[in-house]
Amino acid sequence: GENVEQHPSTLSVQEGDSAVIKCTYSDSASNYFPWYKQELGKRPQLIIDIRSNVGEKKDQRIAVTLNKTAKHFSLHITETQPEDSAVYFCAAYHNDMRFGAGTRLTVKP
Amino acid sequence: EADIYQTPRYLVIGTGKKITLECSQTMGHDKMYWYQQDPGMELHLIHYSYGVNSTEKGDLSSESTVSRIRTEHFPLTLESARPSHTSQYLCASKGPAKNIQYFGAGTRLSVL
Repeated sequence: GENVEQHPSTLSVQEGDSAVIKCTYSDSASNYFPWYKQELGKRPQLIIDIRSNVGEKKDQRIAVTLNKTAKHFSLHITETQPEDSAVYFCAAYHNDMRFGAGTRLTVKP
Repeated sequence: EADIYQTPRYLVIGTGKKITLECSQTMGHDKMYWYQQDPGMELHLIHYSYGVNSTEKGDLSSESTVSRIRTEHFPLTLESARPSHTSQYLCASKGPAKNIQYFGAGTRLSVL
């Protein structure tokens, strides 16, 4: 079955800096890769996703890149703000969703 | 409003009690899931269902059981709660069209 690995497990950046979270997956048939943000005490919320026929997608300060050959995808957050502080989960989908273990991002003001 | 609803949001009970965590979605989704998550930690899949009368165990062994008698309803039951069951339980659902998985707000369970 699918196995999703996510790094780093914790990430601390200064406000205004960029943050990058990386994930790898094992099932080459996976074709959908969402990213979820979970703020403290809240439910995971979808923030951006990418499908396997696209290499990059951007939405304001967040972007996701996908390298199908290497089977890895990354989340990029630019100009980070304190409200970006949360736990971020990547996932890969083929028949079912497999989540990474999460990255706790802290943005220091 | 189309959403996924979980009740109760918080529950504190004594050891040995039987409890049922409710999950309902109004989006007409076939696939539904239960995850166990300690705060801010990994999401562990404990049960899932692909439709009415379909239930499967997930990756993480759990002493809970589920049922899916109606499309919109996917309750999780613990026959005899123990302190090791203290955690947050998140329900999720997914429709066929966009592969987007939606989460409920969760039930935070404490077993004393």
